[in-house]
Amino acid sequence: DVKVTQSSRYLVKRTGEKVFLECVQDMDHENMFWYRQDPGLGLRLIYFSYDVKMKEKGDIPEGYSVSREKKERFSLILESASTNQTSMYLCASSLFGRDYNSPLHFGNGTRLTVT
Amino acid sequence: SQQGEEDPQALSIQEGENATMNCSYKTSINNLQWYRQNSGRGLVHLILIRSNEREKHSGRLRVTLDTSKKSSSLLITASRAADTASYFCATDNYGQNFVFGPGTRLSVLP
Repeated sequence: DVKVTQSSRYLVKRTGEKVFLECVQDMDHENMFWYRQDPGLGLRLIYFSYDVKMKEKGDIPEGYSVSREKKERFSLILESASTNQTSMYLCASSLFGRDYNSPLHFGNGTRLTVT
Repeated sequence: SQQGEEDPQALSIQEGENATMNCSYKTSINNLQWYRQNSGRGLVHLILIRSNEREKHSGRLRVTLDTSKKSSSLLITASRAADTASYFCATDNYGQNFVFGPGTRLSVLP
């Protein structure tokens, strides 16, 4: 079974802090994604990556950056955390580069609170 | 850009009953997928239906797709308390990546 591991289940940070959310997958998947989930809004795509050192903006990239130095690891960075970034963050991976018939495999999420 | 919209937003049924959730979308799609999310957890993939398919089954799940109406339905038969979760449809529209709807919250009462 594919395992997508997010480093923290719960995180509390202060406004202005730099925050790193880490995600690791163990099945050699090419694609990795970061979503945020808010009540009533569903999942919104922040950034995604189809290959190492490659990144593309999703629907809501403002205030975020990402890093993919190794195939199995995809990091989401909040450069200067703000209270409106309080949310559930979900990392996902899928198998093929441009095969959109591959399902997404999700981690258990990181609930981030910015105070 | 929100593509899929699930309906209803919330659904409560008794154990043993069938649950039906619907998903509508706006643009042409390559495939449509359904996911389940238990409270406080990540999403789990349930079933994928391609745009040239009309119906697909997996255990107690039945998914239909009507591309002319741009809609899909997920039927869970003989529901169990363990089916209590949120259910999301996600559309893949040819390179725009997956777009998720806001979900349907299903409560199955014992």
